[in-house]
Amino acid sequence: DGGITQSPKYLFRKEGQNVTLSCEQNLNHDAMYWYRQDPGQGLRLIYYSQIVNDFQKGDIAEGYSVSREKKESFPLTVTSAQKNPTAFYLCASSKGLAGGRLYNEQFFGPGTRLTVL
Amino acid sequence: EDQVTQSPEALRLQEGESSSLNCSYTVSGLRGLFWYRQDPGKGPEFLFTLYSAGEEKEKERLKATLTKKESFLHITAPKPEDSATYLCAVQAVPGNQFYFGTGTSLTVIP
Repeated sequence: DGGITQSPKYLFRKEGQNVTLSCEQNLNHDAMYWYRQDPGQGLRLIYYSQIVNDFQKGDIAEGYSVSREKKESFPLTVTSAQKNPTAFYLCASSKGLAGGRLYNEQFFGPGTRLTVL
Repeated sequence: EDQVTQSPEALRLQEGESSSLNCSYTVSGLRGLFWYRQDPGKGPEFLFTLYSAGEEKEKERLKATLTKKESFLHITAPKPEDSATYLCAVQAVPGNQFYFGTGTSLTVIP
């Protein structure tokens, strides 16, 4: 089955630690995204990548880093510089341009809930 | 300022009681409007994409419509399994930026 996987489902971090959230997709999608979801707020974009080896900052990139070395993978590192990292993190992908048409629909993974102890 | 507003924040319906959820948006230009369903503790599930005013899409008990300023998600004869949070997102042009609303939490009571 094609889809997006995120791991782990739950993650606990001590203050001062860096942690990495995994996101893998087997949909052959070009674009991948990381969002943060907090109660009462809409999804906020952290980083996105439209092609391998290229990525751009979103609205709230401070304290986060990403890499896109493979089309299938887009890991997110939450660094100790992120002051309030406790949140639900969502990874998404979209097909992008294919067959002359732009497919913008984003498909989401199951999420990772990060808690800072 | 580009933004997306969803209303109501929460909605309780009796099983079989039809209603509509609203998503109003202000963007300089619209590339597409997207509806998602999100169950607690899970990632959003894609429902519909709408591209231009007048467009409609249907899936089972759900029907999405689009005007130049808002979109409605109509739920006909809802069932308890339709209970979820429904999210609306807009992709704006230029720039292709996505804006998400805060969602409508729907509860359908048997």
